[in-house]
Amino acid sequence: SQQGEEDPQALSIQEGENATMNCSYKTSINNLQWYRQNSGRGLVHLILIRSNEREKHSGRLRVTLDTSKKSSSLLITASRAADTASYFCATIPTGRRALTFGSGTRLQVQP
Amino acid sequence: SQTIHQWPATLVQPVGSPLSLECTVEGTSNPNLYWYRQAAGRGLQLLFYSVGIGQISSEVPQNLSASRPQDRQFILSSKKLLLSDSGFYLCAWTGESNSPLHFGNGTRLTVT
Repeated sequence: SQQGEEDPQALSIQEGENATMNCSYKTSINNLQWYRQNSGRGLVHLILIRSNEREKHSGRLRVTLDTSKKSSSLLITASRAADTASYFCATIPTGRRALTFGSGTRLQVQP
Repeated sequence: SQTIHQWPATLVQPVGSPLSLECTVEGTSNPNLYWYRQAAGRGLQLLFYSVGIGQISSEVPQNLSASRPQDRQFILSSKKLLLSDSGFYLCAWTGESNSPLHFGNGTRLTVT
C-alpha cells in the first residue's frame, strides 16, 4: 500500500485562486517531499520539509507538516495556468531506503 | 552541474521480446540510483534501487531486473516482456537517501 496518499485526486480551479492539496502518511519520517509532474515528463522536486519543521515557504508554495496527524499540505497561492500538473508527496517509510510516492493530485488551472 | 539521461523516450515492443532501458548520470559520483514505474494516471511504484556498483535492491518481484555495471549507469532489463510491463519508466538519482530525487524524462513503454 502507498505510504502517502494525496487528497483530492483531482482539483480544478481558476487562475488567481489558491490550490490546496493534502497528503497523509503512515509511518514516522525524517522528512516529507513534494514533487510536480507535467504530463508525460519526469518529476521535479518542489520542496522538502523536515520532521522538526511545521511550515516552509518557497515562492508561491507553502507546505505544512503535522507529524502528530501524519499529514502535510501544499498550498499554491495565486495559481497560474502553468501550474497545471500532477503533484505528489513522498516519504521514506521507517525501515525503507527509498522514497515512496502517493498517487498524486491532478491540478487543472483554468485561464 | 549534474544531469541525468534516460533513453529511449518511447518504445513499442511485442510480448515476449527483451527489454533494455538505460540511465546515466553526469556530474556526480557514487549516486544512489532508482527505477520507478508509473501506470497511467497513477503514482510511482519503486522497482529497484542501487547504492553502489553491483548493489541492487529489488522492491517488487516481477520479470524485470536491474544492473549497475558502472558507477553512474543503471540498466533495467527483461528477458521476456509481458503486457503488464507497459508503463512509464522513470530513472532517478540522489546523493543521499534522504535528499531530493532528480528524475530523468522517462521512457514510455508499450507492450503489444
